[in-house]
Amino acid sequence: AQRVTQPEKLLSVFKGAPVELKCNYSYSGSPELFWYVQYSRQRLQLLLRHISRESIKGVTADLNKGETSFHLKKPFAQEEDSAMYYCALGDSGYALNFGKGTSLLVTP
Amino acid sequence: DTGVSQNPRHKITKRGQNVTFRCDPISEHNRLYWYRQTLGQGPEFLTYFQNEAQLEKSRLLSDRFSAERPKGSFSTLEIQRTEQGDSAMYLCASARDGAYEQYFGPGTRLTVT
Repeated sequence: AQRVTQPEKLLSVFKGAPVELKCNYSYSGSPELFWYVQYSRQRLQLLLRHISRESIKGVTADLNKGETSFHLKKPFAQEEDSAMYYCALGDSGYALNFGKGTSLLVTP
Repeated sequence: DTGVSQNPRHKITKRGQNVTFRCDPISEHNRLYWYRQTLGQGPEFLTYFQNEAQLEKSRLLSDRFSAERPKGSFSTLEIQRTEQGDSAMYLCASARDGAYEQYFGPGTRLTVT
């Protein structure tokens, strides 16, 4: 069965500190993995896709098939990074299977 | 605004009533998805369309739920005989054919009293 696990409901860091949001998945096959972000009062938006290898807003995520993980990393957190972050797994029909999300709070 | 739009943004209804939501996708997107999100959860897939064809339905989509996309453009999601457990945010997303990247609307928040 496909499953996405985000073990942390809430993560609080200080401004300037490194951030790692954890995501683990279970999927038999080659996974399509994504990070979506939802800022306060805004719609859900795509942050990055694993195959794009782009760094958007300073964040990266490496797919580790051995550990079945797709952790999101940012070296220096900013207050504007405070948001809800969702890891998502795409299935064969292109539907997305989301984790429960991690709320990131960056404090000054 | 050329993004995905949803109407209404909020709906309060009494248990047992029927409700209908509308989604207007990005115009060139063939695929349209419906998700439901409850408090503390990520969005959960309900159903999706490629053009006017409904290709997949989740087991979450009970017989009281029906979705249509009659001309392959906008879509409607109807819930009949609403129950309190139907209270949630209903999200619509659209995507280009063959693409995983989905673009989400602002959602319709349903409250069943």
